[in-house]
Amino acid sequence: EVQLVESGGGLVQPGRSLRLSCTTSGFAFGDYALSWFRQAPGKGLEWVSFMTTKTYGGVTGYAASVQGRFTISRDDSRNIAYLQMNSLKTEDTAIYYCSRLYCGGASCYSPNWGQGTLVTVSS
Amino acid sequence: DIQMTQSPSTLSASVGDRVTITCRASETVNTWVAWYQQKPGKAPKLLIYQASSLESGVPSRFSGSGSGTEFTLTINSLQPDDLATYYCQQYTTWRCTFGQGTKVELK
Repeated sequence: EVQLVESGGGLVQPGRSLRLSCTTSGFAFGDYALSWFRQAPGKGLEWVSFMTTKTYGGVTGYAASVQGRFTISRDDSRNIAYLQMNSLKTEDTAIYYCSRLYCGGASCYSPNWGQGTLVTVSS
Repeated sequence: DIQMTQSPSTLSASVGDRVTITCRASETVNTWVAWYQQKPGKAPKLLIYQASSLESGVPSRFSGSGSGTEFTLTINSLQPDDLATYYCQQYTTWRCTFGQGTKVELK
């Protein structure tokens, strides 16, 4: 069974950092691209970041709202993806989800999601 | 970024009704559209990918159609378990975008 479990969320002050983890099992982690998404309280879904497999160069991408502050990475030996979040802002408050992607070239959708981890940025 | 405009934002229907949700893209996305169902406190669940392909395990009362800029999610014979918020997503590239969501409620 494919499983993704996010962790690392919590309450953090504006300007501080947090690292989220996405621990996976049930599939060949290194063979799949991954994305992070988020959902602010009462709001819709927003794509945050993307990373290809190492085979495709480990290419990364970021939403404009987090570019320069967030960094996605992966440890294929441990089947874990990370999202390093620096210089956090109150508007980063959201539930963060990681997702395994199915891709046809650069066109990728999300058949598997974790349960999410809540990040609250507040003083 | 490609904008996805979903309508309606809220839909009230009765059990057994046929329900239709529409999504319009700001530019052509071919058939690179997925639909997700999200229940309160839960992660999104994939229903449809590539505009009309039903994800494994999803009931056949769900169907998707469309290409280019106009897409539709249809629920034939709405069931109580279908009460949720539905999102369309375009994924022409990894820089995907979502519609704002449609909440399906009981009339």
